[in-house]
Amino acid sequence: SQTIHQWPATLVQPVGSPLSLECTVEGTSNPNLYWYRQAAGRGLQLLFYSVGIGQISSEVPQNLSASRPQDRQFILSSKKLLLSDSGFYLCAWSVGVGYTFGSGTRLTVV
Amino acid sequence: DAKTTQPPSMDCAEGRAANLPCNHSTISGNEYVYWYRQIHSQGPQYIIHGLKNNETNEMASLIITEDRKSSTLILPHATLRDTAVYYCIVSGSYSGGGADGLTFGKGTHLIIQP
Repeated sequence: SQTIHQWPATLVQPVGSPLSLECTVEGTSNPNLYWYRQAAGRGLQLLFYSVGIGQISSEVPQNLSASRPQDRQFILSSKKLLLSDSGFYLCAWSVGVGYTFGSGTRLTVV
Repeated sequence: DAKTTQPPSMDCAEGRAANLPCNHSTISGNEYVYWYRQIHSQGPQYIIHGLKNNETNEMASLIITEDRKSSTLILPHATLRDTAVYYCIVSGSYSGGGADGLTFGKGTHLIIQP
């Protein structure tokens, strides 16, 4: 079966610290992969998407970057976190109809 | 930018049908209507999608008007677990957003009352 794994579930990081969130999918090959962010009380914002290994497209200029080192692995990173980076980060994939989202990482920058 | 308009919130009694409206007056001929929902602190969940015909699955029914400018998601027997934010999305891709992702609006916060 097709599954998506995202970790950690929650994270508290100080301002200026680095960030690495990982997402992996199972049971599919060559998926489109996405990172979304949801700030408190706001809608979902698409941050990055990838159609293949090493191919990253950015939707919003920001303090974050993404990488896809393997077909089923998608990583969200930051060198120095800002307070405004706090939010709920969601990984998603699509193959065929609809999108499947991970369970999310709630990041609090303090 | 979201291409849909939804009421910000709705209430529905448990056991009754919940009817969630969505306006998409600028929809083009090759665009699908998708519905997702997001339960608090979870990722969005795909519900249903359609192009022109009405659709039904184990979760819900989707009624699309003949001119395709609006649609209604119907949860036939709402339960407390259906309390969530429901997003109506239009997309030209069969996968629901193509390679470049889904565009979410603010959705409708559906509250099921006991």
